Amino acid sequence: AQSVTQPDIHITVSEGASLELRCNYSYGATPYLFWYVQSPGQGLQLLLKYFSGDTLVQGIKGFEAEFKRSQSSFNLRKPSVHWSDAAEYFCAVVGGYNKLIFGAGTRLAVHP
Amino acid sequence: ETGVTQSPTHLIKTRGQQVTLRCSSQSGHNTVSWYQQALGQGPQFIFQYYREEENGRGNFPPRFSGLQFPNYSSELNVNALELDDSALYLCASSKREPNTEAFFGQGTRLTVV
Repeated sequence: AQSVTQPDIHITVSEGASLELRCNYSYGATPYLFWYVQSPGQGLQLLLKYFSGDTLVQGIKGFEAEFKRSQSSFNLRKPSVHWSDAAEYFCAVVGGYNKLIFGAGTRLAVHP
Repeated sequence: ETGVTQSPTHLIKTRGQQVTLRCSSQSGHNTVSWYQQALGQGPQFIFQYYREEENGRGNFPPRFSGLQFPNYSSELNVNALELDDSALYLCASSKREPNTEAFFGQGTRLTVV
């Protein structure tokens, strides 16, 4: 069955520090992968997507993610975190009927 | 182009009541999907509509139903509300093509008391 695992429920980093949020997926074929960000009480905003091609994808707000087929991973990275990046981050894979299968999310806190 | 809009933003209902949530899809999009996001969890797929017909359903009971209209807007109806139905309900619209992304509305926060 298709699934997404985000091993870290909560991460705290200092402003200016680098960030890596982990995502592992289970999918039989070549996956379509996404990272979304959600501020409290808000909808989901797309950060970046991977469909095919270059395994390092660039997104908005300075985020990037790397697709590693051998590790079934699609980790999100940012070299320098800003206080405004505090939010919840969701990794998702496209399943049957083009539905999105989401992980449980990682809540990011940023210390000044 | 207009984004995905949902109404109402917040709603409080009593257990056993019925509720209708509304979604206007983004201009040019013909597919609408609904998701339920319980507190502290990731969104869960409820169902998808394309050409006014249900086109895929997640693990939700029949008291969750929907409609899609000719202008591609959509409704989510939930009958016989239960306390566990309290959640953020998200609507997403997309084009029915490969390699396209879904755009989400701000959601409707439903509280069942």
